[in-house]
Amino acid sequence: GEDVEQSLFLSVREGDSSVINCTYTDSSSTYLYWYKQEPGAGLQLLTYIFSNMDMKQDQRLTVLLNKKDKHLSLRIADTQTGDSAIYFCAESTQAGTALIFGKGTTLSVSS
Amino acid sequence: KAGVTQTPRYLIKTRGQQVTLSCSPISGHRSVSWYQQTPGQGLQFLFEYFSETQRNKGNFPGRFSGRQFSNSRSEMNVSTLELGDSALYLCASSLEPENTEAFFGQGTRLTVV
Repeated sequence: GEDVEQSLFLSVREGDSSVINCTYTDSSSTYLYWYKQEPGAGLQLLTYIFSNMDMKQDQRLTVLLNKKDKHLSLRIADTQTGDSAIYFCAESTQAGTALIFGKGTTLSVSS
Repeated sequence: KAGVTQTPRYLIKTRGQQVTLSCSPISGHRSVSWYQQTPGQGLQFLFEYFSETQRNKGNFPGRFSGRQFSNSRSEMNVSTLELGDSALYLCASSLEPENTEAFFGQGTRLTVV
């Protein structure tokens, strides 16, 4: 079945760039998402990209999609301590529903 | 504008009991989805409702059910609770089913003892 995989941990220093990687198996995935979850909170949608796009930039966030390799990455520029959270990659063949999530990458930012 | 509201925030139930969780979507949002989050399985899609109809269903046993009311509020029910049902249950709302932006509530933490 469909699967989404992410590395579990990433540790960076404040001010550095963070790159969180994700791979997925479903070649019919049309929508790819990045969500952020802070302790005790729900999921916050950060950004999404359609499968016909290679890149999307939104302020400090850059999403890169390599559809051939089924690889998605999220780059956070000038990482801040407030960016410390769990980041989830998700994919769907239908917009906004039946999302398949990765296990999440815990980003730790040290000052 | 109020976000997605889930009640209660925390719940403790005994094995064999049943439980009902509630989700009020963002005003104007008509599509509601439910997800289960556990440390072992991560986030898994339960079901989606739109216009009081279930549009989509994940791979969960029939003990898990839901419904949506005419005001778009949704409830999910779990019958004959098992220890493994202990999880954070998250609700997400979006304007329409085909809308890419789903907004999540803070979740209901269910503990089954």
